[in-house]
Amino acid sequence: GIQVEQSPPDLILQEGANSTLRCNFSDSVNNLQWFHQNPWGQLINLFYIPSGTKQNGRLSATTVATERYSLLYISSSQTTDSGVYFCAANYGGSQGNLIFGKGTKLSVKP
Amino acid sequence: KAGVTQTPRYLIKTRGQQVTLSCSPISGHRSVSWYQQTPGQGLQFLFEYFSETQRNKGNFPGRFSGRQFSNSRSEMNVSTLELGDSALYLCASSLEVGAGYNEQFFGPGTRLTVL
Repeated sequence: GIQVEQSPPDLILQEGANSTLRCNFSDSVNNLQWFHQNPWGQLINLFYIPSGTKQNGRLSATTVATERYSLLYISSSQTTDSGVYFCAANYGGSQGNLIFGKGTKLSVKP
Repeated sequence: KAGVTQTPRYLIKTRGQQVTLSCSPISGHRSVSWYQQTPGQGLQFLFEYFSETQRNKGNFPGRFSGRQFSNSRSEMNVSTLELGDSALYLCASSLEVGAGYNEQFFGPGTRLTVL
């Protein structure tokens, strides 16, 4: 079946370090989103990025649709960046169906 | 503009009972999707509604159902609750401007505990 795979599953960083999170998807996608889940469970939108590159402050994302992967870059990490990062893809048909990866749990130490 | 709202935020039920969760989308959004998050299975798609019609359904038993009203508000119902239904239930809405654009925005979730 259609799959979304994220790596690494866990990542521990010192404050100020940079990191790259990866998302591989098994088929062509219509939409791809990156989320940060806060400690209370809410999914916060980071990027809507079916292709190309976007930047928002210390975060940026790149999706290479032809090679079926997306990368999320976090620069100069802060303790508040800790949490779980999910990528999710929509493969067409009904547009409301996002397939989620299992997430990357990021811990930023002071 | 207010975000997606979900009520109640927390719920405790016992096995065999039924439960109804509510979701109000962002104003103007017509698509509402529901997801279940558990530690074991992660985030899984339940169903999606658009203009009061179920447009897609995930792989869940018939005990899980939903509906959407004319104002785009949506409810999901779980009947005959089982211990395994304990989860965070998330609702998302999207605007669907033109073909292909479908950024989803999530509510804070309803945390259901089944005892």
